[in-house]
Amino acid sequence: GAVVSQHPSWVICKSGTSVKIECRSLDFQATTMFWYRQFPKQSLMLMATSNEGSKATYEQGVEKDKFLINHASLTLSTLTVTSAHPEDSSFYICSAIPISGHTDTQYFGPGTRLTVL
Amino acid sequence: AQSVTQLDSQVPVFEEAPVELRCNYSSSVSVYLFWYVQYPNQGLQLLLKYLSGSTLVKGINGFEAEFNKSQTSFHLRKPSVHISDTAEYFCAVSVAGTASKLTFGTGTRLQVTL
Repeated sequence: GAVVSQHPSWVICKSGTSVKIECRSLDFQATTMFWYRQFPKQSLMLMATSNEGSKATYEQGVEKDKFLINHASLTLSTLTVTSAHPEDSSFYICSAIPISGHTDTQYFGPGTRLTVL
Repeated sequence: AQSVTQLDSQVPVFEEAPVELRCNYSSSVSVYLFWYVQYPNQGLQLLLKYLSGSTLVKGINGFEAEFNKSQTSFHLRKPSVHISDTAEYFCAVSVAGTASKLTFGTGTRLQVTL
């Protein structure tokens, strides 16, 4: 149980284009999902908290107009990297908290590796 | 605010030897504590968590951790490691009683060799 998927698992795009990453909770519903960014050999940095039906809460220093988050349903959150540049290349990981059961625990997706050329 | 310190960036160990990965935290409020494991190019998998109650917590893959409030520590241990335990291990905290965001440590790379 508590499976989170991400799509795509990897993506390569040209500079200036936009990329959408999906995060789905497969066997549970989640009102809260989180988006993290991880640089090579580093820890996870929280980018934003995504709440179903409301605007995302961004961490300090994260550009909300560049990293658009939409949490349209209780099982889906999307992160769109707009006008991507090479410095946006990174490993993006989402997590979700169940609305029932283990509500104290975040369950993580497998991550999406973004490479911007 | 909470913070997590993992002093060891890398821990080399021989197969079948015991291992301890250290984690210390700082918080002015009660916290939940977690250990996650990350294999190369994958997301994080929950190993174990401490919410309340018994300070010795047992997790998956033979790992256990002990919560020590006086020393603000939550060290991860395994009595006998396997090659397949080679991975990155992250300690994390969240504010107790809420579905709140996690604060991660910098991670410890466990390298198991024959």
